[in-house]
Amino acid sequence: GAVVSQHPSWVICKSGTSVKIECRSLDFQATTMFWYRQFPKQSLMLMATSNEGSKATYEQGVEKDKFLINHASLTLSTLTVTSAHPEDSSFYICSAPRDPAGYEQYFGPGTRLTVT
Amino acid sequence: LAKTTQPISMDSYEGQEVNITCSHNNIATNDYITWYQQFPSQGPRFIIQGYKTKVTNEVASLFIPADRKSSTLSLPRVSLSDTAVYYCLVAAGGGADGLTFGKGTHLIIQP
Repeated sequence: GAVVSQHPSWVICKSGTSVKIECRSLDFQATTMFWYRQFPKQSLMLMATSNEGSKATYEQGVEKDKFLINHASLTLSTLTVTSAHPEDSSFYICSAPRDPAGYEQYFGPGTRLTVT
Repeated sequence: LAKTTQPISMDSYEGQEVNITCSHNNIATNDYITWYQQFPSQGPRFIIQGYKTKVTNEVASLFIPADRKSSTLSLPRVSLSDTAVYYCLVAAGGGADGLTFGKGTHLIIQP
């Protein structure tokens, strides 16, 4: 099956610093990727849609200036959490459809962010 | 987007068949039903997808009645490794749309 990777798998940073998370589609090209956030014992929440070559679209309530998304190539999307605070500590997961006309999404393994 | 309702948790034992039912009363004509599995600290994994009647793959079966207002994920002969959260999703957007996850069902398999 299609593979989506994320890097790093976990990161600890200090409050006020920025953290970049990478999402790569390893064996297919993805014009669209999605970013989710998951707090402990809760479900995944869609944060934004990352579009190759254009601006990302953000879900209501997600600060676009805080969560910077760059989809610079057909296999890489990055999420930068700027000026991170402890409340940004969460599990960040990306996904991509192998076939835009299909319905199956391939998810990355997730990145655990802890802000101290 | 059609809202889904699933049991919060279920328990079963190794070797049993487990059926998880999902209600989606407001499903639209062009909506598909998809189930994902998630282990702790991992991304979700696609299990099965269907539109109507029955779909079967190597890991599960999906039963969808004619009115499509509900669906049942069937896991045959579960093992301890099937302990996970199972999400039922209803969507029509294909790969162009992000997914809306409900609360999911936490399935616990005991020896």
